[in-house]
This record gives sequence, C-alpha cells and structure tokens, in this order.
Amino acid sequence: IAGITQAPTSQILAAGRRMTLRCTQDMRHNAMYWYRQDLGLGLRLIHYSNTAGTTGKGEVPDGYSVSRANTDDFPLTLASAVPSQTSVYFCASSDSRGARAGRPGELFFGEGSRLTVL
Amino acid sequence: AQSVTQLDSHVSVSEGTPVLLRCNYSSSYSPSLFWYVQHPNKGLQLLLKYTSAATLVKGINGFEAEFKKSETSFHLTKPSAHMSDAAEYFCVVSAYDNYGQNFVFGPGTRLSVLP
Repeated sequence: IAGITQAPTSQILAAGRRMTLRCTQDMRHNAMYWYRQDLGLGLRLIHYSNTAGTTGKGEVPDGYSVSRANTDDFPLTLASAVPSQTSVYFCASSDSRGARAGRPGELFFGEGSRLTVL
Repeated sequence: AQSVTQLDSHVSVSEGTPVLLRCNYSSSYSPSLFWYVQHPNKGLQLLLKYTSAATLVKGINGFEAEFKKSETSFHLTKPSAHMSDAAEYFCVVSAYDNYGQNFVFGPGTRLSVLP
C-alpha cells in the first residue's frame, strides 16, 4: 500500500534554478494539497486541487505553480528558486466529496521533500 | 475564516504520567477537528478526528480528545505517556466552504517524554 509518494526526498538547489516536486497518490482521492513546513509556523497551504483539472491558491502561493492533469498526480514547480523557499514540502490528499454533507475527509500525507535553496 | 491556537509550543512529561496538549480554534462554520502526530523526519499521521458526532473522540495509541463548543477547545489527552509518544502534535480545523474542504493547522506542540 503506497498511499502518497513524493520525490525527491531531499534536494539541494542553486538559487534561480527550476525545480519540480512530484506527488502521486493511489487512493483515488479527489482533493490534493501542497504544504510547506517551517519551524514554529506549522504547515502552510501553498496550492490545492479539489478535482482533476482545477487548482486553487492557498496561503503562500507566490513563487509556486501546480497542475492537476489527472486524479493521481499533483506536481509542484518552483520556476526560479529563492533561499526563502528552503523548507520541507508535504503533499497530501483527501476524499472531500462528502464534506458538504458533513462527512469531511481526513488528510493523508506523503513523507515529505526536504528542499534547500542556496 | 478559521484559525487554530496551540497554547504550548513545548510540553515535557515523565513516562507514565498524563499528557495534555491544548488546542483552541476559531471557525465561521461548523468545524471538523483533527489531531495529527509527526515523528522526526516523517510525514503526518492522523491520531483522531471530530466530525459532529460524539464529543469525546478516541484515537490511536490511547489518545483521546474532547470537543467543547462553549470553550472552542479540542484538547488532546492520554492517561499515561510512553517514550514512543515523543513527537510533534498538530491540531487542525477543517470546514467546507465555496472553495471545497480546507484545513488550517496550528503551529504544533512538541512533546518530550522523560524516562
């Protein structure tokens, strides 16, 4: 049972370079999310997608882009990395189709991608 | 709008003593509430969730939490701490709005368990 797979697990990147963090889920969840985790700030939402073909901005979207071409994949791209994007990035998914009716889904997380921008 | 406050950034207990991790929330909607645990260099794992059924929720590894609407609280407790409970704990509030189901995380509480 894989759940959510993230790649790479760790990366050191020069400032100005382009980087894509990959995320794949095998649970057929409709919703997917990207968070960044920084010490003392908890997890902050970067972008989300409620269904294939749609995306939305979270709390800290600047400098990041996402796409959702199909249900399973939700890559996060840093077009031109900056040192402030040094962080641990978590991809998550949930089945939120029952949320409107009072049956909220829970988040399932990948193991994270540790990114260092120099 | 939703927000979560975790009142303690760090809690330290002795093995075998009770654990109390505090969480207060604010939500414009009828919220769902979750507690997640994160062990070092790992992803987050669900401990328990409240979704408007019983106000006392039991989770994995002996943890439980009580939803108190009048106090807007969802504190996490465990009767007896184990060394393996040492981790970071996140309280999360969730609601469904025009943009779908959203999740807002608290800043986390680091639990240390002393032998």
